[in-house]
Amino acid sequence: DIRMTQSPSSLSASVGDRVTFTCRASQNISHYLSWYQQKPGQAPKLLISAASKLQSGVPSRFSGIGSGTLFTLIINSLQPEDYATYSCQQSYSTPQTFGQGTKLEIK
Amino acid sequence: VYLVESGRDLGQPGTSLRLACVASGFTFDDYAMHWVRQAPGKGLEWVSGISWNSGSIVYADSVKGRFTISRDNAKNSLYLQMTSLRPEDTALYYCAKGHRRWELGHFDYWGRGTQVTVSS
Repeated sequence: DIRMTQSPSSLSASVGDRVTFTCRASQNISHYLSWYQQKPGQAPKLLISAASKLQSGVPSRFSGIGSGTLFTLIINSLQPEDYATYSCQQSYSTPQTFGQGTKLEIK
Repeated sequence: VYLVESGRDLGQPGTSLRLACVASGFTFDDYAMHWVRQAPGKGLEWVSGISWNSGSIVYADSVKGRFTISRDNAKNSLYLQMTSLRPEDTALYYCAKGHRRWELGHFDYWGRGTQVTVSS
C-alpha cells in the first residue's frame, strides 16, 4: 500500500496568513493527489484534484502544487472559514489511501 | 448532488449490519461509488469501491472477506453489507461519489455519514 504522510499534524495561524501543508507519498504517484477540507461535524469537501486542479466553487486563495512524491496545499490570506482539517489522498493505486490530516487552528 | 446514508446501529462483535446510501442530483449509473470511514479522532480510511456497472469491485484489506459492496442503479442506491463486525469497525461511514466510471479516483461528493458502533 502507498503510505501518505502529512506534516505538520497541526498548525496555528492567523487570519490573513499564508499557510502551507505538506503531503508525502511513499512512492511515485505522479499527479494522482487530491486535497480535502473537513470541518467538525461535516463531511469532507474536495478542494483540489490532480495535484493542482481547483474544484469549482473553491476560492482561488487555495492552490496545490507537486508531483511524484511531494505535494503542497497553499492557502493565501487565510480566512476565518478556513479553519478545518486538511487531508490528502492518493488515487494512483488501490487501496486509495489518505494522509492522517493536518488540523489548522486559530492563533 | 445529494448522498444520504442510513443503517446506523450499535451492534455486538460478530454481528452483521447493512448500510445504504441513496443518491440524487446526478446520473447515478455513470459513476463509481465508494464507502469511506472515519474512526473517532482518526483520519479517513477508504473501505470499498464499485464501478458504474458493478463490473469492478475493490476492498481495503481490513474489510476484505467480511464486507460486500453492491449497487442498484435502478434505485440510485449503494449498499455495504458488513458481517463479522469487530470493535475496530466502529466509525462514521461515508458514502462518496467517484469522479468517473471506474473505481480508482478521487471523491467529489460525500454524504453526511452514518455511525456504526461495535461494542460488547
